[in-house]
Amino acid sequence: QSVLTQPPSASGTPGQRVTISCSGSSSTIGSNTVNWYQQLPGTAPRLLIYSNNQRPSGVPDRFSGSKSGTSASLAISGLQSEDEADYYCAAWDDSLNGVVFGGGTKLTVL
Amino acid sequence: QLQLQESGPGLVKPSETLSLTCSVSGGSISSSSYYWGWIRQPPGKGLEWIGSIYYSGSTYYNPSLKSRVTISVDTSKNQFSLKLSSVTAADTAVYYCARWGTQWLEADYWGQGTLVTVSS
Repeated sequence: QSVLTQPPSASGTPGQRVTISCSGSSSTIGSNTVNWYQQLPGTAPRLLIYSNNQRPSGVPDRFSGSKSGTSASLAISGLQSEDEADYYCAAWDDSLNGVVFGGGTKLTVL
Repeated sequence: QLQLQESGPGLVKPSETLSLTCSVSGGSISSSSYYWGWIRQPPGKGLEWIGSIYYSGSTYYNPSLKSRVTISVDTSKNQFSLKLSSVTAADTAVYYCARWGTQWLEADYWGQGTLVTVSS
């Protein structure tokens, strides 16, 4: 059972907009920033969004993040086949004094 | 371009100690702007943060692993290391090393990962 809760799966068709949610608590998302990672099959995770809504250089602006209260969301617009991957949210947990990850969401592009 | 590379045995016997090293190239491990840490991923499962270290030696560990984990840094070699003692099959995973920003605690550079199997 992960400290951050994500839906196990999501799907969309090419060109569509999809969102992935990440639910936490007052000690995680409620008081710290959220980062998102993309993990393509067989590869190491890649930083996608940091500080709730900031994109590292090289990440397309089709990817966006938001946070409200104890929840966060990752949105992918103009869905492409290469977006098919696992997506993880992460945040610092003030109670555990460590980093916690969501369980991951497998995105399928239909 | 910063690169991280994990190295160590791919097979460890139960009850023994897992030891991995992460070699950093293209940047200094002594930067005050970053932590360096380990994350693991059991086959077919999600990511789990193991712990992080600052160049000064300050450490943060996952409470669920704290009693068995030691992370150390060798600034002279630009490396940091992971030791996980008393391993069981549940510790079988791909182990990643990564660089973490101190402000947003984001892991912006990752190693390719190394599979460690615990089996007799």
